[in-house]
Amino acid sequence: EPEVTQTPSHQVTQMGQEVILRCVPISNHLYFYWYRQILGQKVEFLVSFYNNEISEKSEIFDDQFSVERPDGSNFTLKIRSTKLEDSAMYFCASSRQAGSYEQYFGPGTRLTVT
Amino acid sequence: AQSVAQPEDQVNVAEGNPLTVKCTYSVSGNPYLFWYVQYPNRGLQFLLKYITGDNLVKGSYGFEAEFNKSQTSFHLKKPSALVSDSALYFCAVRDMTYGGSQGNLIFGKGTKLSVKP
Repeated sequence: EPEVTQTPSHQVTQMGQEVILRCVPISNHLYFYWYRQILGQKVEFLVSFYNNEISEKSEIFDDQFSVERPDGSNFTLKIRSTKLEDSAMYFCASSRQAGSYEQYFGPGTRLTVT
Repeated sequence: AQSVAQPEDQVNVAEGNPLTVKCTYSVSGNPYLFWYVQYPNRGLQFLLKYITGDNLVKGSYGFEAEFNKSQTSFHLKKPSALVSDSALYFCAVRDMTYGGSQGNLIFGKGTKLSVKP
């Protein structure tokens, strides 16, 4: 069964550094998402991506964040200058369509900012 | 504002007994509702969804959920719990701000299910 994969599983970085989190969505899916989960808190939506552009973003997704689909398979989340409060589990998800279609989540990348 | 509430932080059940994990929602229009399960060090796995039609929906691993429009609830149920069902369960609703077309989910805070032998 196809899966969403994410790398790395754990990333430790210093405050102010740039990080890139990588995801490979399921191959025939068209919609891509990033969510994050701060330890002990809710899973929160960051951004959705369709047809090579951002379709929606939350208040969390400020100018420090960007997403890209550099080729036909990868989907990346970049944080330009990390802050301590960016420490969280970041989940990538994909779905075949939006609306009523379920999203399939990757295992997550745990980002620790020191 | 659209939201999902899971009133219980933890649910404890003995193996073989029925289980219920509660979820209520607040959303404009007809809701698209989902349940996900998260095992330790794993991503969220899709269990089931309600879009329209029969209020009782069946999903993976013997789970089912009942949509109740008047109570704005979507409780997750299983007739006979297994120890292996122990995990974190998340209820989610599609954000309908744009009529659901963008697809992002609004999650509850999660309920930890503990099934004891």
